[in-house]
Amino acid sequence: KQEVTQIPAALSVPEGENLVLNCSFTDSAIYNLQWFRQDPGKGLTSLLLIQSSQREQTSGRLNASLDKSSGRSTLYIAASQPGDSATYLCAVGYNFNKFYFGSGTKLNVKP
Amino acid sequence: ETGVTQSPTHLIKTRGQQVTLRCSSQSGHNTVSWYQQALGQGPQFIFQYYREEENGRGNFPPRFSGLQFPNYSSELNVNALELDDSALYLCASSLIDPMDGQFFGPGTRLTVL
Repeated sequence: KQEVTQIPAALSVPEGENLVLNCSFTDSAIYNLQWFRQDPGKGLTSLLLIQSSQREQTSGRLNASLDKSSGRSTLYIAASQPGDSATYLCAVGYNFNKFYFGSGTKLNVKP
Repeated sequence: ETGVTQSPTHLIKTRGQQVTLRCSSQSGHNTVSWYQQALGQGPQFIFQYYREEENGRGNFPPRFSGLQFPNYSSELNVNALELDDSALYLCASSLIDPMDGQFFGPGTRLTVL
């Protein structure tokens, strides 16, 4: 059974800090992994997508890495801002039609 | 390019009733996946539709069913509603080979009383 775990469940940091969110998965035979942001009561906004053959992806202040052999992905956020406050979710894709989410990390960036 | 849209935004039903939720996929996408997100949890995969047929299903009972139409839009139907069905229902569109990932709509908040 595929399981996706995100640690920590919640994180509070002062503005300007660099931070790392973690995602681990039990089955390493993944197709891709996608990081999302979710604001309260809203849908999911895609941040970064990593294919199984890739090691990392970058977009602005965000960098996501993937280590399939250890079943881990990290999302690095540089120079955090209050506007980054949200819940961050990772979704692991298997084949074309099976996707498993973690429970998310709730981030609060204090001004 | 039109994004993923869902309707209605909010819905209140009573236990035992039936509900239909709707999703329009992003332009160019031929696959729709539905998810249930309980409060404080990550989304759980319900099923996926491609070419108007179910193309994968998560651990949900048969009272959760769906349709996909020739224009790739989709419906999620839930019969015999239970209190635990209260959740945010999300749809995501993609190509059948999700090389560009999935794109989500804003969701429908269902409350079952």
